Amino acid sequence: NAGVTQTPKFRVLKTGQSMTLLCAQDMNHEYMYWYRQDPGMGLRLIHYSVGEGTTAKGEVPDGYNVSRLKKQNFLLGLESAAPSQTSVYFCASSYSRLAVIADFEQFFGPGTRLTVL
Amino acid sequence: DQQVKQNSPSLSVQEGRISILNCDYTNSMFDYFLWYKKYPAEGPTFLISISSIKDKNEDGRFTVFLNKSAKHLSLHIVPSQPGDSAVYFCAASALGTYKYIFGTGTRLKVLA
Repeated sequence: NAGVTQTPKFRVLKTGQSMTLLCAQDMNHEYMYWYRQDPGMGLRLIHYSVGEGTTAKGEVPDGYNVSRLKKQNFLLGLESAAPSQTSVYFCASSYSRLAVIADFEQFFGPGTRLTVL
Repeated sequence: DQQVKQNSPSLSVQEGRISILNCDYTNSMFDYFLWYKKYPAEGPTFLISISSIKDKNEDGRFTVFLNKSAKHLSLHIVPSQPGDSAVYFCAASALGTYKYIFGTGTRLKVLA
């Protein structure tokens, strides 16, 4: 049981380049999330998904796109990277809050450190 | 508008003593609260949670207290250990919104 995995772990991009971050979970969770963490800012939600084929905007969606074609995967795309997108990106997943279970915590991946020059 | 606030960026505590981490929120619709611990170069890991129908939840050395009228929650760690040194995030969720709102984190350092 791998939990939540993210690829790649590190990446350096030049301004204007594009890339896709992959998140995979093997816990059959309905919900998946992409966050970015910046110093002094905590975790800010970029986009999220409440099920296969659905996506929604979070707090800081500009400059990012996402897709959830399969329940276990959630992709985050940067079409034209900018230095302001230098950050650590975390993917997370969780059960639906409508599920009859005790805890609704999010499980996080190890993060992707992205630098845009 | 910061809906979840952790006003202390850092905290130092002696080993064996109590660590108290605080979190305030502004949205009265939040009904579920969580604490996460984060070590450098790792993703956050879930520590403990509390539903708004309770005012206390314990798990070993960790206890979370919720004061709904004050919109305040706190995490108590007793006794504190050097391995507890990490960044702690509180998060809040409202049923039906699907989202978790995180605070900015408090860096705890437990001194041996």
